[in-house]
Amino acid sequence: SQTIHQWPATLVQPVGSPLSLECTVEGTSNPNLYWYRQAAGRGLQLLFYSVGIGQISSEVPQNLSASRPQDRQFILSSKKLLLSDSGFYLCAWSVAGIGTDTQYFGPGTRLTVL
Amino acid sequence: QKEVEQDPGPLSVPEGAIVSLNCTYSNSAFQYFMWYRQYSRKGPELLMYTYSSGNKEDGRFTAQVDKSSKYISLFIRDSQPSDSATYLCAMHLLSQGGSEKLVFGKGTKLTVNP
Repeated sequence: SQTIHQWPATLVQPVGSPLSLECTVEGTSNPNLYWYRQAAGRGLQLLFYSVGIGQISSEVPQNLSASRPQDRQFILSSKKLLLSDSGFYLCAWSVAGIGTDTQYFGPGTRLTVL
Repeated sequence: QKEVEQDPGPLSVPEGAIVSLNCTYSNSAFQYFMWYRQYSRKGPELLMYTYSSGNKEDGRFTAQVDKSSKYISLFIRDSQPSDSATYLCAMHLLSQGGSEKLVFGKGTKLTVNP
């Protein structure tokens, strides 16, 4: 069976500090991978998605970036965090292919920027 | 007009009640419809998935899609305190460029009181 991991689970960082969140998927190959942010009262916002190694699409311009160095690894980064970056960050995966976009979510990382 | 509208609630019901959760959408290109359940401080988990108008039943849960009215519903029969969570509707969009994405409602927070 497939499992998705995220770490850390909780993070408190000062404004201006760097960020690195990691997501890994087990039990599947060549998945589509996604990063979302969930802020209170604002729903799920898609940040990045990837259909393969080194292939990243950005949905929202901001000070965050994503990378996919390995098939089942997805990393969310920032060089300098803003207060507005606080939120619940979720990684998700789906089976690659048109019309099969049921997404499965990881446990999330709760980020607080002070 | 937002692509997906979902009443955020909160919705509070007694145990055993029938719960109705709803979403409306404006984009007729949406092809697949999903409901996710999200417990507090956890990632969303897929609850129901459907792609055609009509009803789909799974235990105490029934998903209903009316494409002509652009309206989807999730019914929970004999609601239990363990059903207390936020319920997110999601809709699958296949763009002309071949990219896929899910568009989420903001979620309805449900509390089932014992």
